[in-house]
Amino acid sequence: DGGITQSPKYLFRKEGQNVTLSCEQNLNHDAMYWYRQDPGQGLRLIYYSQIVNDFQKGDIAEGYSVSREKKESFPLTVTSAQKNPTAFYLCASSIQDTPNQPQHFGDGTRLSIL
Amino acid sequence: GNSVTQMEGPVTLSEEAFLTINCTYTATGYPSLFWYVQYPGEGLQLLLKATKADDKGSNKGSEATYRKETTSFHLEKGSVQVSDSAVYFCALRDGGSNYKLTFGKGTLLTVNP
Repeated sequence: DGGITQSPKYLFRKEGQNVTLSCEQNLNHDAMYWYRQDPGQGLRLIYYSQIVNDFQKGDIAEGYSVSREKKESFPLTVTSAQKNPTAFYLCASSIQDTPNQPQHFGDGTRLSIL
Repeated sequence: GNSVTQMEGPVTLSEEAFLTINCTYTATGYPSLFWYVQYPGEGLQLLLKATKADDKGSNKGSEATYRKETTSFHLEKGSVQVSDSAVYFCALRDGGSNYKLTFGKGTLLTVNP
């Protein structure tokens, strides 16, 4: 079945540590996105990528980094510079980055601080 | 900038009740509108969409009509079930600089047997 796979489902970070969240899709989608979800809030865009080897900052990119070396993969690194990383992180993809195309989401990674 | 406003929850209904979740938006241009649903511990699933004025999106007994004159996209379902308990998000994308998907804050629906 085609879909978006995020791993791990749960992740714990120690102080001063960088952690990387994985996102893989086999939908052959061009565009991929990372969102952060906090309790009682909507989703906020961290980074997005329209094509391989290119990505743009979203609304809350500080303390995060991404890469897009392959079409299928868009890993997110939460760096030690992100002072409040505890959240639910969602990866999404769409056929193209056009207004009428919906985004398809993975099941998320819940990140907590030890 | 773009924004989406949803009715605040939580909403608690009994099975077979009628559901309405209000959603209004502010956007430049002519956005596409979406409803997503999030079940506990999962990601978001697309429920329905509408891409132009007067379009009606529908899926699994839920529907919403794109009303340009009132800038609204209210979600309705005629008879809810316990399995409909989830968080519902209204969202829009427009033809702006990066086609960003803008979400409302979500509405928690609990359906009791």
